[in-house]
Amino acid sequence: GENVEQHPSTLSVQEGDSAVIKCTYSDSASNYFPWYKQELGKGPQLIIDIRSNVGEKKDQRIAVTLNKTAKHFSLHITETQPEDSAVYFCAATLNQAGTALIFGKGTTLSVSS
Amino acid sequence: DVKVTQSSRYLVKRTGEKVFLECVQDMDHENMFWYRQDPGLGLRLIYFSYDVKMKEKGDIPEGYSVSREKKERFSLILESASTNQTSMYLCASRHQQPQHFGDGTRLSIL
Repeated sequence: GENVEQHPSTLSVQEGDSAVIKCTYSDSASNYFPWYKQELGKGPQLIIDIRSNVGEKKDQRIAVTLNKTAKHFSLHITETQPEDSAVYFCAATLNQAGTALIFGKGTTLSVSS
Repeated sequence: DVKVTQSSRYLVKRTGEKVFLECVQDMDHENMFWYRQDPGLGLRLIYFSYDVKMKEKGDIPEGYSVSREKKERFSLILESASTNQTSMYLCASRHQQPQHFGDGTRLSIL
């Protein structure tokens, strides 16, 4: 089955710096890769996703890149703000009926002002 | 907006009890999921269901069962609760991607 590795487990940056979180996956059949943000006391919320037919996707300060050959994908947050502080999870799956997301172990991002 | 509602935010039970965690979604989603979240281990899939009365084991199904009698409701059952089942439990649902999560049930087994 699918296995997702996520690094680093913790990341501390200064406000305004960039943050990068990296994930690798094992199943070359996986074709959908979302990123979730979890704030304290809440469930994970989708912040961006990418499908295997696309190499990069951007949404304002957030971008995701995908390298299918190397089986890794990364989350990039630019101009970080204190409200970006949260736990971030990457996930992977084969997007079809009867499948589930497999998650990495999470990265705790702390942005200090 | 998709709404996934977990019936309890906090729950305290005793070892050996039969425990029911309830999840309801309001978007007519076929697929529903139960994960448990532990520090340093991320979200691990317990069970999921892709249709009424259908269920599939995830990565850690031991000690758990599920019930999906109606499309909008997916229940997680701890047949005989043990202290190592103390955890945060997250329910999710989807039609197509993405998955939408509830806010979780923090379960303590004493």
